[in-house]
Amino acid sequence: GAGVSQSPRYKVAKRGQDVALRCDPISGHVSLFWYQQALGQGPEFLTYFQNEAQLDKSGLPSDRFFAERPEGSVSTLKIQRTQQEDSAVYLCASRRDQETQYFGPGTRLLVL
Amino acid sequence: AQSVTQLGSHVSVSEGALVLLRCNYSSSVPPYLFWYVQYPNQGLQLLLKYTSAATLVKGINGFEAEFKKSETSFHLTKPSAHMSDAAEYFCAVSKSGGSYIPTFGRGTSLIVHP
Repeated sequence: GAGVSQSPRYKVAKRGQDVALRCDPISGHVSLFWYQQALGQGPEFLTYFQNEAQLDKSGLPSDRFFAERPEGSVSTLKIQRTQQEDSAVYLCASRRDQETQYFGPGTRLLVL
Repeated sequence: AQSVTQLGSHVSVSEGALVLLRCNYSSSVPPYLFWYVQYPNQGLQLLLKYTSAATLVKGINGFEAEFKKSETSFHLTKPSAHMSDAAEYFCAVSKSGGSYIPTFGRGTSLIVHP
């Protein structure tokens, strides 16, 4: 079956621009996670949804970051007024049970 | 709080040699432990996981890891390295309760020489 997909794969934004990153999880997966991966680092947790409910957003670095999953399937991570330090790979993962996450290929964001 | 330490940001081995990637964890409750592999410009792929069953866990591509509670370790091994094993490897820990959100280590880059 299809895995987790993310779009766009690459995004170049000018500083101050708003961006929206999309994640399509595996069908039927209840849980969805967003991570930020800086160059040479491991993924850092941003936020977590169970169905449409955002249960944990403790990892969002500032109020410029906003995530939603209105129908409990597709999720969008929005970054307002992008800054250079937002440049990273943004990874989405989905999970059916309490154990294994399945990751998408990521969106590589470069803020100039 | 839970955390993971991966010793060595880079490990270099010759093709056919033993691969050993080190991971030590910290967790206040019995942990779930994972190893993921990431190839360039791709997402993370699960290699293997420990969820309180057998302490020696076998994964894909000939990798295995042993959970040692006394040493708080979960080192990843493979008897014979292949060129295709060159990638970034991440160890992760989650608590066996709550939301099961994993915490990742900083990663170890495996370099395989011909």
